[in-house]
Amino acid sequence: RKEVEQDPGPFNVPEGATVAFNCTYSNSASQSFFWYRQDCRKEPKLLMSVYSSGNEDGRFTAQLNRASQYISLLIRDSKLSDSATYLCVVNLGDTGRRALTFGSGTRLQVQP
Amino acid sequence: GAGVSQSPRYKVAKRGQDVALRCDPISGHVSLFWYQQALGQGPEFLTYFQNEAQLDKSGLPSDRFFAERPEGSVSTLKIQRTQQEDSAVYLCASSLLNPSTYNEQFFGPGTRLTVL
Repeated sequence: RKEVEQDPGPFNVPEGATVAFNCTYSNSASQSFFWYRQDCRKEPKLLMSVYSSGNEDGRFTAQLNRASQYISLLIRDSKLSDSATYLCVVNLGDTGRRALTFGSGTRLQVQP
Repeated sequence: GAGVSQSPRYKVAKRGQDVALRCDPISGHVSLFWYQQALGQGPEFLTYFQNEAQLDKSGLPSDRFFAERPEGSVSTLKIQRTQQEDSAVYLCASSLLNPSTYNEQFFGPGTRLTVL
């Protein structure tokens, strides 16, 4: 079983739609959580950190459920420029391996 | 300012050839990571440096893989006797401080290695 699991998609949505991605992680000792965005043939870039209380950044909302070991990302009013692969990422932080553990990514295609 | 840079951007190697991949982290960044990303997968951890010290190499897939960061800045990932399964994008990332809970890692553009 992979440490971080995501639906690979693709999610094909029209412009203006709301789309949600989910992710589960297996290591209950995980300390920090992120969503990264990766465009085709580019490097991953941090989209947002995910906090226990949930957080919002413009059209993007991230939620964390530690009890269920579940992370979500909601994108409202989708834009063509949102088309990318969204990577769910966890980190054991100071309790273990310092590196990031990535899911395989969920591909989003926003269509006109 | 300049981000993380990697060279070469593309490398084609014949099976059995040795390759060396270079990473220039953001100036002053203490931590440096190497990841391997296969097609259709997320990046997977290879190794981690804190300054010149290699603190974790548990992700290196075999003893053909070797990494160094002798002066605590530039790092080189070397793969000896390359095999077809080594074909992937090799990503380097750096972060300012020792890794902590929300210390952002900045990624370079990667080196795409193809082994024929």
